Amino acid sequence: NAGVTQTPKFQVLKTGQSMTLQCAQDMNHNSMYWYRQDPGMGLRLIYYSASEGTTDKGEVPNGYNVSRLNKREFSLRLESAAPSQTSVYFCAVSKSQYFGPGTRLLVL
Amino acid sequence: DQQVKQNSPSLSVQEGRISILNCDYTNSMFDYFLWYKKYPAEGPTFLISISSIKDKNEDGRFTVFLNKSAKHLSLHIVPSQPGDSAVYFCAASGDTGNQFYFGTGTSLTVIP
Repeated sequence: NAGVTQTPKFQVLKTGQSMTLQCAQDMNHNSMYWYRQDPGMGLRLIYYSASEGTTDKGEVPNGYNVSRLNKREFSLRLESAAPSQTSVYFCAVSKSQYFGPGTRLLVL
Repeated sequence: DQQVKQNSPSLSVQEGRISILNCDYTNSMFDYFLWYKKYPAEGPTFLISISSIKDKNEDGRFTVFLNKSAKHLSLHIVPSQPGDSAVYFCAASGDTGNQFYFGTGTSLTVIP
C-alpha cells in the first residue's frame, strides 16, 4: 500500500522543454490535487480533479495542463517550461489532503 | 492576496513545554481547517482538522482551537518533543470543499 506516489522525484529541464509529472494513488479517493511549493509562498493549488473525468483550475493554473486518466492517476503537464516554474510539486488526494513525496523541478 | 496567514515564520520551545502555532484567515466562507507537518524533502503529513461547527478538536498531544469570530485558529502541542521539529502548515477550504488554501508555514524547533 504505497498511498500516493509521484514520478519523477527530481527533474532538470531547459526553458521551452515539456514534461509530465505523474501522480498515482491506491487509496480509492475521488479527489486529487496538484500543488506547487515555493519559498515564502506556502503551497498553492494549481489544478484539482473532484472526480474521474473532471478537472478544474486552482489559484495558479497558467502554464500547466492536467489529465485525470482514471480514478488512480492524475498527471500535470508543462508544455513549455519556464524558469518561473522551478518549484517543488506535490500531488494530494482526498479532502483530507494526503500528500505524495513531491517532485523537485529545476528549469534552467 | 494570501487568504490564510501564518505570521510567525519560526518558533523555538523547550522539550516538554507547550508549542502554540497560530493561523489567521480572511475568508468567512472557510468552514474546514487542517494542520500539516512537513519534514524536509518529504510531502506534508496530515495532523488534525476541525470543522467550523466545532471550536476545539483533540488528537493525542495535538489540539486545534478555532475562533470563528476572530478568524483565527491555533495548534497546541503538549508536551513538545524533539521529533516535533518540522514546518507546520495550516490550510482552509470553503463550502465546495475542493479548493484548499495554505499558509506559508511556521518552522518549529523543539530544543532537547
